[in-house]
Amino acid sequence: GESVGLHLPTLSVQEGDNSIINCAYSNSASDYFIWYKQESGKGPQFIIDIRSNMDKRQGQRVTVLLNKTVKHLSLQIAATQPGDSAVYFCAENAGGTSYGKLTFGQGTILTVHP
Amino acid sequence: KAGVTQTPRYLIKTRGQQVTLSCSPISGHRSVSWYQQTPGQGLQFLFEYFSETQRNKGNFPGRFSGRQFSNSRSEMNVSTLELGDSALYLCASSLALGTQSPLHFGNGTRLTVT
Repeated sequence: GESVGLHLPTLSVQEGDNSIINCAYSNSASDYFIWYKQESGKGPQFIIDIRSNMDKRQGQRVTVLLNKTVKHLSLQIAATQPGDSAVYFCAENAGGTSYGKLTFGQGTILTVHP
Repeated sequence: KAGVTQTPRYLIKTRGQQVTLSCSPISGHRSVSWYQQTPGQGLQFLFEYFSETQRNKGNFPGRFSGRQFSNSRSEMNVSTLELGDSALYLCASSLALGTQSPLHFGNGTRLTVT
């Protein structure tokens, strides 16, 4: 049958605002989580990761929060800039010996208006 | 340090043909994974290689295969191409098997099947 494109959630913010992108993950056994940014014509770019024994991790302008109780992950971007406009993906990994196998979320389109 | 390099960047093939895509991981990275990205299905795991051995495989037909060489470089092959194989094929590398280190992606090979 005809394939239907994913309808990605969108988030539109003004330059300088803080952005919050949310992700629900599916596997309660997942022990490692990663956020990626993908710009048009490029591959996913690593932003930040977090292990399941943590609930918060901070990077440069970014913070990831993990709530294992409700299987929820969020990415906070401070002082969002036009260069942050991209599709953002969360990814989870169930570990074991295979950290090369990630399950990706559908993605969120972030648009930053100057 | 050079990132993950994928060649070619673009390919156009006809139904029934076969194709080989190439990936050079980040220097020192020994694990290579392949993903397919389409508008309809998003990012989906194909397979993972470490030490020239396939360690994990996603839910794709046997027409999709790969290999890894002793220098960690990898190739994937798709035989008897179908229209639905049109996609962005992404290669990613990480330090080693079984470590919680993020995958780093190349910019992909855009395959169009006509």
